[in-house]
Amino acid sequence: EAGVTQFPSHSVIEKGQTVTLRCDPISGHDNLYWYRRVMGKEIKFLLHFVKESKQDESGMPNNRFLAERTGGTYSTLKVQPAELEDSGVYFCASSQDRAGQETQYFGPGTRLLVL
Amino acid sequence: QKEVEQDPGPLSVPEGAIVSLNCTYSNSAFQYFMWYRQYSRKGPELLMYTYSSGNKEDGRFTAQVDKSSKYISLFIRDSQPSDSATYLCAMTDPFTGGGNKLTFGTGTQLKVEL
Repeated sequence: EAGVTQFPSHSVIEKGQTVTLRCDPISGHDNLYWYRRVMGKEIKFLLHFVKESKQDESGMPNNRFLAERTGGTYSTLKVQPAELEDSGVYFCASSQDRAGQETQYFGPGTRLLVL
Repeated sequence: QKEVEQDPGPLSVPEGAIVSLNCTYSNSAFQYFMWYRQYSRKGPELLMYTYSSGNKEDGRFTAQVDKSSKYISLFIRDSQPSDSATYLCAMTDPFTGGGNKLTFGTGTQLKVEL
């Protein structure tokens, strides 16, 4: 079974440009999470989808970040316009259910560098 | 103050040593506790999952939770070079509106040397 995949693995852009990150969760997983790790800091929650609905977007830093999950399958996270402080590693995770013990499976991350 | 504190290391031990990794937390609403292992350029991988105070053992790994002290530990026995990675503690607050989003420590970098 394929794991969580993320594309691209790396992205280098200039301040003010737009970048779109993609996450393909494990097939059948309704829950999809985005997290971010800024250099030197802990991994932080950004938002949570259940199927195509945003369940919790309390971690989104500002309105330059837009996440979508069309049809409850893959998800995209768009940063527009990118700022220097958006640099970091963006992780996607998926899980099968919310009841009781839930294992979140992480993708390898997208390393974003804004110059 | 961070919700979860974790010594970032790096921690270097000889092969075969017992490793102790620790996290403290401030939010008493955290109920589920996890340890993730992350190899370089990879995503975090779940190692252990506990929800009650006490010990849970899985092979060479033992997770310990002390909710009264807000302190969790991961012990690795007979450490191997393949255990060299970053170890992240994480926890969730599922009952007071936190849902299942993970709150992480900064991670401890471990190196097991031959």
